[in-house]
Amino acid sequence: SQELEQSPQSLIVQEGKNLTINCTSSKTLYGLYWYKQKYGEGLIFLMMLQKGGEEKSHEKITAKLDEKKQQSSLHITASQPSHAGIYLCGADWGSNYKLTFGKGTLLTVNP
Amino acid sequence: DGGITQSPKYLFRKEGQNVTLSCEQNLNHDAMYWYRQDPGQGLRLIYYSQIVNDFQKGDIAEGYSVSREKKESFPLTVTSAQKNPTAFYLCASRRTNYGYTFGSGTRLTVV
Repeated sequence: SQELEQSPQSLIVQEGKNLTINCTSSKTLYGLYWYKQKYGEGLIFLMMLQKGGEEKSHEKITAKLDEKKQQSSLHITASQPSHAGIYLCGADWGSNYKLTFGKGTLLTVNP
Repeated sequence: DGGITQSPKYLFRKEGQNVTLSCEQNLNHDAMYWYRQDPGQGLRLIYYSQIVNDFQKGDIAEGYSVSREKKESFPLTVTSAQKNPTAFYLCASRRTNYGYTFGSGTRLTVV
C-alpha cells in the first residue's frame, strides 16, 4: 500500500479562488517536503516541515504539518495561472534519508 | 550558481542497448539520488548514495546500475535488463538536514 497518499489527484479552479492539497502519511513523519513541477521539468522546492504544528508561508502558498506529524496540507490563496502544475509531497521517515513521494496533484488554474 | 546538471535532456535507446545518464552537482552535497517518474505514478527511487564509493538500491533498482567515484558525480546506467525503460529520470542531491535539490531531468525513450 502507498505510504504517502495525496489528494485530490487533480484539481481545476478558477483564477482567484483558494485551494488546498492534502498529504497523509501512514506513519509519523521525520520531514515533509512540498515540491512543484511543470510537465517535463525538474522539481522546484517549495517548503520543508519538520516540527509538529509547524506552518510556513511563501508568497501565497502556506504549508502546515499537523501535531501528530502524519498529515500536511498545502494551501494556495487567490490562485493565479502561474500556480498551475503538479504539486508533490515527499516524506522522509528518518531512515537512510530516502525521500518517498506521493503520486502528485495536477493543478489547473483557469483565467 | 550552484545546482545539479543532468544530461542529456532527451535520450533515445535502441532495444538491447545500455545507456548512461549523467548527473553532476556543484553544491558540495554528500547524498545523491536517482528517481524515475512515470505518468500517474509519482517518483520512484532507483538508487541512492550517501557518500563516495557507496550506494544502495532503492525500490526499483532492477535493470539499473550506478557508480559514485566522485562526490560531484552520480551517473545512472540503464541496462538492457530494464524491460520498460521509457520514462523521465530525475537526479537529486541533499545536504544533511536540508531539503533535496533536483536536476531538470532526462527523458529516455526506447525506439
